[in-house]
Amino acid sequence: NAGVTQTPKFQVLKTGQSMTLQCAQDMNHNSMYWYRQDPGMGLRLIYYSASEGTTDKGEVPNGYNVSRLNKREFSLRLESAAPSQTSVYFCASSRQGKRDTQYFGPGTRLTVL
Amino acid sequence: LAKTTQPISMDSYEGQEVNITCSHNNIATNDYITWYQQFPSQGPRFIIQGYKTKVTNEVASLFIPADRKSSTLSLPRVSLSDTAVYYCLVGPMDSSYKLIFGSGTRLLVRP
Repeated sequence: NAGVTQTPKFQVLKTGQSMTLQCAQDMNHNSMYWYRQDPGMGLRLIYYSASEGTTDKGEVPNGYNVSRLNKREFSLRLESAAPSQTSVYFCASSRQGKRDTQYFGPGTRLTVL
Repeated sequence: LAKTTQPISMDSYEGQEVNITCSHNNIATNDYITWYQQFPSQGPRFIIQGYKTKVTNEVASLFIPADRKSSTLSLPRVSLSDTAVYYCLVGPMDSSYKLIFGSGTRLLVRP
């Protein structure tokens, strides 16, 4: 099993450009999450999806949208990137009801110029 | 959500036991305590989880006193590869819970 995979690994955008970060898991997990991590800081939850067909805002949702495409895939979209969105983005998944036991992807390092 | 407090950093040497303590004075009755480990340029990895007393797995032990206002992650005989950031998280294991990662404890293991 690959676990949680994320694409791309690295991305550089100009201010105002848009892009979608992709995430997929092959563990048959119901819940999926998107976090950002700024240098020297802990992770902050952007959005989460408790189950297929549902999404909810986390701690820092402004400037982002998400789509739970199916049970396996959960994408994060930046419609108009800003330098403040320069960060490392992590996707995670967990079994429903086992929310603390999250499995993380390798991350996407995003730079917005 | 229960607020957690951990040391910002700790130093140790290979072969030593390392204990990282986390304070969570306002922990709720239905809260669990979970620890994650994060290596540079990687996503966090679940280490251990507990509710009370002691939990042990192949990686670490977690000690939780009776009042549950603190917990201690114990790493036996650390190696250089244990150098990482360790996060303590507290919260209920239901669908309404949102994980809050603090700044964690940076552990540096020296040769």
